[in-house]
Amino acid sequence: AQSVTQPDIHITVSEGASLELRCNYSYGATPYLFWYVQSPGQGLQLLLKYFSGDTLVQGIKGFEAEFKRSQSSFNLRKPSVHWSDAAEYFCAVGALGAQKLVFGQGTRLTINP
Amino acid sequence: DADVTQTPRNRITKTGKRIMLECSQTKGHDRMYWYRQDPGLGLRLIYYSFDVKDINKGEISDGYSVSRQAQAKFSLSLESAIPNQTALYFCATSDSRQGSNQPQHFGDGTRLSIL
Repeated sequence: AQSVTQPDIHITVSEGASLELRCNYSYGATPYLFWYVQSPGQGLQLLLKYFSGDTLVQGIKGFEAEFKRSQSSFNLRKPSVHWSDAAEYFCAVGALGAQKLVFGQGTRLTINP
Repeated sequence: DADVTQTPRNRITKTGKRIMLECSQTKGHDRMYWYRQDPGLGLRLIYYSFDVKDINKGEISDGYSVSRQAQAKFSLSLESAIPNQTALYFCATSDSRQGSNQPQHFGDGTRLSIL
């Protein structure tokens, strides 16, 4: 069965600093991988997705993620965070294509002014 | 995602009550899902439906039931609510006709508290 681990429950960075959120997955086949963001009181919004091809994928809001098969990782990055990036971030792996998602525990991001 | 509407947004109720959470979508997607979110556990799949006549259990379906009344409507019921069902519940949709790799789109959630 597939699983997703986000090792960091909570991360604090200063505004303007770079960001990397970690995601490790376990899945027997080629994974479908996603990053979602959840702002307070709202649902989950898709940031980016990886299915195949170029292992560096670009998403919305200036985020990118890199798929590394050898490390079973799909880390999310942003060169310079903004206060509006404060939210909870979820990594997910898809089974049956993307039709069933397994989510990580989430990483809460706090931005210091 | 405003195209996926969950009602109510908040609900407080008592142990033993029957509760229904509703989800409707205007995206024309064929697949719909119910998740619950608990702190530190991420989102866990309760039930999913690939079309009106197809209902499947997710990883935590005990204590829940669902009904797919139409392609656009998917409701979640708690027949006899218990306190450990206090959580944030999300409905999601996806469109299989665009391929198996289409992402899921989420509603804004229903916060349910059971006293």
